[in-house]
Amino acid sequence: DAGVIQSPRHEVTEMGQEVTLRCKPISGHDYLFWYRQTMMRGLELLIYFNNNVPIDDSGMPEDRFSAKMPNASFSTLKIQPSEPRDSAVYFCASSFATSGTDTQYFGPGTRLTVL
Amino acid sequence: AQSVAQPEDQVNVAEGNPLTVKCTYSVSGNPYLFWYVQYPNRGLQFLLKYITGDNLVKGSYGFEAEFNKSQTSFHLKKPSALVSDSALYFCAVRDPGYSSASKIIFGSGTRLSIRP
Repeated sequence: DAGVIQSPRHEVTEMGQEVTLRCKPISGHDYLFWYRQTMMRGLELLIYFNNNVPIDDSGMPEDRFSAKMPNASFSTLKIQPSEPRDSAVYFCASSFATSGTDTQYFGPGTRLTVL
Repeated sequence: AQSVAQPEDQVNVAEGNPLTVKCTYSVSGNPYLFWYVQYPNRGLQFLLKYITGDNLVKGSYGFEAEFNKSQTSFHLKKPSALVSDSALYFCAVRDPGYSSASKIIFGSGTRLSIRP
């Protein structure tokens, strides 16, 4: 398996622009998670899905952030409009919860820089 | 509620010496416990997990962790450190009795630095 795939790996944009991050989970996994990592705040869970349905979005910082999972093999995290404080590394992770162990497998991340 | 704490921001060890990275947790029931490692500019990689059974869990790259229920700890250990072990280590916990969801809670991370 190719593992969790994220694109782009790096994104540089200007304040006010829309940013879309993409994730392809491991085939067969039924949970998908979006995290944000910064030096100041560490690793934060933003939102997660089960069988394409959002379960908990309490970590989404503002209405500027939105996430969708239209099918089992694709999810997006959108920021509109972007701000410099959104600069961070964004990780997607997936897990196969039916296995009973909840091990999450992470993608390589997208490094977002908002100027 | 469930929580996890990593009391040390940084651990420094000489190559060849044993290493320990500490983790304590708080859950209402029997925990699922995990260790992940993050190398520079990479995503988190799964190292090992405790679900049930033997308190000593062996994982990747020669790491092991010991589950101690009375002390609510799950410290990561390795008998002989390598320079290549230098990375950021995360402990994580899930209380399956608290939530039916698969959300796990990550600690703040401990940076392990191995000097030659």
